[in-house]
Amino acid sequence: AQRVTQPEKLLSVFKGAPVELKCNYSYSGSPELFWYVQYSRQRLQLLLRHISRESIKGFTADLNKGETSFHLKKPFAQEEDSAMYYCALLNTGGFKTIFGAGTRLFVKA
Amino acid sequence: DAGVTQSPTHLIKTRGQQVTLRCSPISGHKSVSWYQQVLGQGPQFIFQYYEKEERGRGNFPDRFSARQFPNYSSELNVNALLLGDSALYLCASSADSTIWEQYFGPGTRLTVT
Repeated sequence: AQRVTQPEKLLSVFKGAPVELKCNYSYSGSPELFWYVQYSRQRLQLLLRHISRESIKGFTADLNKGETSFHLKKPFAQEEDSAMYYCALLNTGGFKTIFGAGTRLFVKA
Repeated sequence: DAGVTQSPTHLIKTRGQQVTLRCSPISGHKSVSWYQQVLGQGPQFIFQYYEKEERGRGNFPDRFSARQFPNYSSELNVNALLLGDSALYLCASSADSTIWEQYFGPGTRLTVT
């Protein structure tokens, strides 16, 4: 079964500290993975895509097929990073996005 | 462009009733997807429509149905409402049939009493 697991519901870090949001997936084949973010009172939006291999707002995510993980990382957290983060997987066929339960990141001053 | 729009913003229904939710995609986008988000969970895929054809359906009962119109707007219908249907219903649009990048609407909050 295709599945996304985010083991942490809440992650709290201090400003300037490194942050890592964990994501594990279950998928047969080469997965297409994404991170979505929802800031307070804003819409859910795409943060980054595995296929783009880009850094957005200082965040990066590396696909580790051996560990079936796609953790989101940022070396120095900022208060404006406080948000809900969802890891997601695009299914075979490309018509269905499977979301994890989400991790709420709280960056303390 | 206002982005993806959804209506209504909120609504309250009684068990057994029927509800219709509406979504207008970003101009030029031909694909609309519907998700249900229950409190504390991530969005769960319900349907995807592309060029007025259903491309995919999630694990939802037949009480859930949808359609896409020639202008690419979409409606989600839920019949015989249950308390468990209370959720935020999200619509997302994308330019292509493969959802490399999708843009979400603000959602419709449905409460079933």
